[in-house]
Amino acid sequence: AIRMTQSPSSLSASTGDRVTITCRASQGISSYLAWYQQKPGKAPKLLIYAASTLQSGVPSRFSGSGSGTDFTLTISCLQSEDFATYYCQQYYSYPPSLTFGGGTKVEIK
Amino acid sequence: EVQLVESGGVVVQPGGSLRLSCAASGFTFDDYAMHWVRQAPGKGLEWVSLISWDGGSTYYADSVKGRFTISRDNSKNSLYLQMNSLRAEDTALYYCAKDMAAVGATTVHAFDIWGQGTMVTVSS
Repeated sequence: AIRMTQSPSSLSASTGDRVTITCRASQGISSYLAWYQQKPGKAPKLLIYAASTLQSGVPSRFSGSGSGTDFTLTISCLQSEDFATYYCQQYYSYPPSLTFGGGTKVEIK
Repeated sequence: EVQLVESGGVVVQPGGSLRLSCAASGFTFDDYAMHWVRQAPGKGLEWVSLISWDGGSTYYADSVKGRFTISRDNSKNSLYLQMNSLRAEDTALYYCAKDMAAVGATTVHAFDIWGQGTMVTVSS
């Protein structure tokens, strides 16, 4: 199975900061990667798919990049509503065996 | 409004069985593959299973293969997960999730709509 490793596992940041989260795949997954945001007690929300395509309705301060094994999620100007846990997920493998990263918790500094 | 509503989660003894249901509304259910994703308390997300739009193809995580069965009834806009031989490590919040790509479109096994989840606790 393809393993997804996120770093850091947590970070502290202030409103207005630029935040970058990294996701590394154990083998190449082309651009078959999605990013999700999850707030406490809520279901995850899709932010980005195909590594860099913003889901409809997601603010443009979120962006994704990368291909192959290394990917990043960037929040250009952190807002109060962005404090949450973020997960990457690959959908490259066939037969489908979808896997998530361990998550990155973004906390208030 | 596009909506997924799960039900069926309870406390069950190890070795027991349970069937989860997910009722879909607000979209053409039989145009989309569907998934189950779970989250153990305080832990990350784990994909459990996928079923194609017509139910003809099913896939499972290794951790549940041979014990869980995914199915759907397109006439009822419903998704199911039959869970047998339950273990303590199956304790989790189980989410129903919609695949974002419609049948015939480029495959994108990402999840654009999620339910609120139903809690399964396996304990004696």
